Formats: sequence, C-alpha cells, structure tokens
Amino acid sequence: DTGVSQNPRHKITKRGQNVTFRCDPISEHNRLYWYRQTLGQGPEFLTYFQNEAQLEKSRLLSDRFSAERPKGSFSTLEIQRTEQGDSAMYLCAGREGPSGNTIYFGEGSWLTVV
Amino acid sequence: AQSVTQPDIHITVSEGASLELRCNYSYGATPYLFWYVQSPGQGLQLLLKYFSGDTLVQGIKGFEAEFKRSQSSFNLRKPSVHWSDAAEYFCAVGADAGKSTFGDGTTLTVKP
Repeated sequence: DTGVSQNPRHKITKRGQNVTFRCDPISEHNRLYWYRQTLGQGPEFLTYFQNEAQLEKSRLLSDRFSAERPKGSFSTLEIQRTEQGDSAMYLCAGREGPSGNTIYFGEGSWLTVV
Repeated sequence: AQSVTQPDIHITVSEGASLELRCNYSYGATPYLFWYVQSPGQGLQLLLKYFSGDTLVQGIKGFEAEFKRSQSSFNLRKPSVHWSDAAEYFCAVGADAGKSTFGDGTTLTVKP
C-alpha cells in the first residue's frame, strides 16, 4: 500500500460527458503527478504540482483537461467533452519533498468512453 | 529528447529459470533510471533505481539491474523467477523521478 488512493477506480461515460478523477496522496507528498496510460503502452506524464502550484503541463494535456490541487493535499483531474481517445487509465503519484527520488503510484482510475 | 526502448514485448520463462529484461535509453546527460512492475489493473511499484555510483543496483523482490553507459542499457535481471513475478515491467529514464519517460513495457509470463 503506497498510501495514494484514487477514485473512482472505474468510470464508463458517454462521449461528450465530463468526468472528474480524484487523487489523495499522503500528507508528506508535496509533489503530485498525473499520468495517462493506454493499453500496451507505458505511462505518459501529464502534469505535476508542487503543493498547490501546477508547475508543468505536458503537450498531451489538451484544453479539455484541467487539474487542480486547491489546498496542496488532494488533486482532481477533470476531462471535459470526453472523446473515445480519452479512454485510458489515469494514474496519480506522490513524491516526498523537493528532492525525493521515489514516487508512489496509486492504483489508477480506468476511463472508458463509449 | 529522451526515450526508452524495451525490445521485448513479451517474454515467457519457466519457474526457477533466470530472467533478463532489456532496456535501452536515449538521454542527453547522466540519466536517472528506474524499473517498475505493474500487475494487471494496478498502479506501478518501483523495483529499483539508479542515480549514480555502483552500476549494479539491487532492488526489491530479488531483482537487480546493471547500468552500462557505453551500451545505453539498463537491463533487469533475476536469477530465479517465481510464478508471482508474472506481470508487466517498465523501464523509465529522466532527471526527475516524477517526470520520467517510460518504455512500452515487457509482459512476463511464467510457466509452471
């Protein structure tokens, strides 16, 4: 158990609907990362936070995607107007401190867009 | 740009046999290298990491990896595979553990 929890674990939605995923890291994780993983591929970095500040966003994060970490604790990833190509597992990971070299993944949230 | 290649999409070994999973990387400076394991439908667990120093790195679950700068490789090994090792294995490279570039993974099947 890494202490990083993600909800919901599975989500099936119709194309065009909005979905939101939540990640709860442990309190020591002042850095929080989001990834997307499609079948047969490795995780791809989307964005990360240092406390409540979003410091970097990948080009993969289109305008339909938004992530927040309002109080530097939990984080949400929202996808608006979902498309079938958004079907993937969305992973969250936490890291301790500014120089920690180990990240701890949650179990992921599966999204299926039909 | 950094990249990782895992040449073997799928490997099958017999229980008790030795294992080597290949990883080749492209990176402009001294890399930080990682191996992760992922069970079906689950998140990733760190097996081991290399930042500097001894090029032979020991990890959890009896795994080790060797960094070879001249070959741009970071192959994962285990002397004797157990059925519970069946999973998908990912190699990753980057200057930051959280912003690493991952390979596409190698699926390990263990025959009884």
